[in-house]
Amino acid sequence: GAVVSQHPSWVICKSGTSVKIECRSLDFQATTMFWYRQFPKQSLMLMATSNEGSKATYEQGVEKDKFLINHASLTLSTLTVTSAHPEDSSFYICSGPVLRPNYGYTFGSGTRLTVV
Amino acid sequence: RKEVEQDPGPFNVPEGATVAFNCTYSNSASQSFFWYRQDCRKEPKLLMSVYSSGNEDGRFTAQLNRASQYISLLIRDSKLSDSATYLCVVNMGAGNQFYFGTGTSLTVIP
Repeated sequence: GAVVSQHPSWVICKSGTSVKIECRSLDFQATTMFWYRQFPKQSLMLMATSNEGSKATYEQGVEKDKFLINHASLTLSTLTVTSAHPEDSSFYICSGPVLRPNYGYTFGSGTRLTVV
Repeated sequence: RKEVEQDPGPFNVPEGATVAFNCTYSNSASQSFFWYRQDCRKEPKLLMSVYSSGNEDGRFTAQLNRASQYISLLIRDSKLSDSATYLCVVNMGAGNQFYFGTGTSLTVIP
């Protein structure tokens, strides 16, 4: 249980284009979804917290106009990287809180974005 | 100071060896503690939760020291398949974000 489906797994896009990443909770309802980014050999860093039916909360230094987050339903959160640049190339991953203490949170499979 | 700090390694150990990782956290109000395993280019997967009383799962033992604010992971009888990055993760409670360590790289050598 507690599966988060994320896709696409891999995407290559040209500079200036936009890319949408989807995360779906398959067997639970997620009022909150966390979006992380991981650069090579670095830790996962929280970018933003999406909240169903309201605006996302962005971490300091993350441009909300560049990384658009939509959480329109209890099972779907999307992250759109707008006007992508090569420096946006990274591993993006979502996680959804599961209300089972000490089970940890389930992560999506991640999206490796390469901007050329 | 970072929320969670780990020795990045790398740790290169022979098969059958015992290896231990430590991780310190800065927020004394942290409630939940986990070790995750991340294989190259894959998502992190929960290895084990860390309880105050310490817990063991086969060859893996995790311990929490609240007074000193650190958690540890001990791997006994290392297998080649244990090669991965081990992430220390701390959480403030349900509905809150994770804080990740940078991960400790382990390579088990035949």
